[in-house]
Amino acid sequence: DAKTTQPNSMESNEEEPVHLPCNHSTISGTDYIHWYRQLPSQGPEYVIHGLTSNVNNRMASLAIAEDRKSSTLILHRATLRDAAVYYCILRDPTNNAGNMLTFGGGTRLMVKP
Amino acid sequence: EAGVAQSPRYKIIEKRQSVAFWCNPISGHATLYWYQQILGQGPKLLIQFQNNGVVDDSQLPKDRFSAERLKGVDSTLKIQPAKLEDSAVYLCASSLWMNTEAFFGQGTRLTVV
Repeated sequence: DAKTTQPNSMESNEEEPVHLPCNHSTISGTDYIHWYRQLPSQGPEYVIHGLTSNVNNRMASLAIAEDRKSSTLILHRATLRDAAVYYCILRDPTNNAGNMLTFGGGTRLMVKP
Repeated sequence: EAGVAQSPRYKIIEKRQSVAFWCNPISGHATLYWYQQILGQGPKLLIQFQNNGVVDDSQLPKDRFSAERLKGVDSTLKIQPAKLEDSAVYLCASSLWMNTEAFFGQGTRLTVV
């Protein structure tokens, strides 16, 4: 059962880039790396996901290590609104058990003005 | 596009009473999830439906919790009888299919006194 490890908290300054790390040393070949975030008093929201190649969307970029044992969520210019808990989740779409959307403790990102 | 609707937003009950939460997923979404989020922790998956069938309910305390998804659309989660440790936010989410982006509702904050 592949799991992820994230730092409990990180701090960033507003308008600076933020790199949120995630370790997943036991990742399997069919696991996708998903990121969700949860703003205060809100339900989680999807951010990005990828398999092997780096991915970009309007919210963030996902950099995946060549051996896939780690990944980094990149916020290019942090704003106060990006203060949230960020969750890194592995999902294997080839079987029901591995495809569960299972949240760990996540990383609490604090953004300073 | 309307999001995931949940009601009520807040509920306070005494221990040993019963309570029910309602969720209306995004139209056309086959997968529906119920999560329990205790303060300071990540969301914990209670049950996952695919249409009106249960995919996983391994973490649902079946002696007191029950959930149904009639006709594969709306869903209700019931607790009977409630305990103090059930105080949490109950989140409902839906996705088009099992391995696609999940959309979360605002949640129901339950306080058991």
